[in-house]
Amino acid sequence: DTGVSQDPRHKITKRGQNVTFRCDPISEHNRLYWYRQTLGQGPEFLTYFQNEAQLEKSRLLSDRFSAERPKGSFSTLEIQRTEQGDSAMYLCASSPGTGDYGYTFGSGTRLTVV
Amino acid sequence: RKEVEQDPGPFNVPEGATVAFNCTYSNSASQSFFWYRQDCRKEPKLLMSVYSSGNEDGRFTAQLNRASQYISLLIRDSKLSDSATYLCVVSFLTGTASKLTFGTGTRLQVTL
Repeated sequence: DTGVSQDPRHKITKRGQNVTFRCDPISEHNRLYWYRQTLGQGPEFLTYFQNEAQLEKSRLLSDRFSAERPKGSFSTLEIQRTEQGDSAMYLCASSPGTGDYGYTFGSGTRLTVV
Repeated sequence: RKEVEQDPGPFNVPEGATVAFNCTYSNSASQSFFWYRQDCRKEPKLLMSVYSSGNEDGRFTAQLNRASQYISLLIRDSKLSDSATYLCVVSFLTGTASKLTFGTGTRLQVTL
């Protein structure tokens, strides 16, 4: 499979628990992005990596959120002390880094906080 | 004011109809423009890029008006399979790199 993979596809967690999502980008893509999408809204930018460096974080990304891309390959997004407002689809995308073209999105991880 | 604004719809049209979606963006420094398609509970997928000269891909025509900060998508001869949410997307430089900024999407339902 040469696309962007995300795991898990679905996650149900109790409020206050920590969750971690994984994204495997297209192997030759050096940029990786995390977006969040709630019902009836478009995806909203959270953060992005150029290789292993996290170059930007949105104000949407509170202190409870942390993302890593340790070797410039896969990335993880962790949410600590989840809240009901964190329920959303978390989308990962990668691109070759040559401008705004060539974005490929993964199928997303749907998080439900109960 | 949202950076990218779209009419959320839904647009309900019969098969074979022509339908047009519009979108406005607030940042005059926006660099690139796209329409993405998103099926229910699926990831967004690039439908087409949008250029000032206008561009066409089969039944789909996209247009950009930089002066008015306005983007449009025209779908001719609608098919049932066109039913989806159409996301207007722009990119502009913020921080260290340009990133895609999405509108809320316009939902299209094509019926028999």
